[in-house]
Amino acid sequence: NSKVIQTPRYLVKGQGQKAKMRCIPEKGHPVVFWYQQNKNNEFKFLINFQNQEVLQQIDMTEKRFSAECPSNSPCSLEIQSSEAGDSALYLCASSLRRTNYAEQFFGPGTRLTVL
Amino acid sequence: GDQVEQSPSALSLHEGTGSALRCNFTTTMRAVQWFRKNSRGSLINLFYLASGTKENGRLKSAFDSKERYSTLHIRDAQLEDSGTYFCAAERGGRALIFGTGTTVSVSP
Repeated sequence: NSKVIQTPRYLVKGQGQKAKMRCIPEKGHPVVFWYQQNKNNEFKFLINFQNQEVLQQIDMTEKRFSAECPSNSPCSLEIQSSEAGDSALYLCASSLRRTNYAEQFFGPGTRLTVL
Repeated sequence: GDQVEQSPSALSLHEGTGSALRCNFTTTMRAVQWFRKNSRGSLINLFYLASGTKENGRLKSAFDSKERYSTLHIRDAQLEDSGTYFCAAERGGRALIFGTGTTVSVSP
């Protein structure tokens, strides 16, 4: 179904540590989204890119996260200083275009546990 | 903010029966996707609709943007249909807004 690759699958960090995860979108998909899914199955949009440009991000992402999608390299999402409340499944999705809605395809996620 | 209300939260079916899941939207959405979370926890794409209905095997989905809802029908349920189903809607070039999921349990 989806060819989005996310690494690592599991990540364990202590509070205050940096946590970095990566995503390779489906080939030919210029738009990448990051979402956070908590244990209550609630999804939160974090940030999205078209190629290397940030399209949208929420306040939390702007303040505490660092994200990029360099050309010819995996996209990455990094929490600068992990907090217990950051423990969640981080999902990367990619799609074909931004201006009109296009189906999003999700990777398996990186499950972050902050001790 | 925009919300997606998914119901029911849990659904029990016997093999061979069917039922429907529903998502109501608090605002006009341009498209909807339906997913099933597989045994490894990955979201599997079931349907993407900008309007109308689509059918795939024993699954059928409908989306009415004007009436602000989408449905997913399961017919002739099989054991392998068990899992958590999510709808997610989008307003146009933006992030998906997810429902909170429906856990479907199919028993013999």
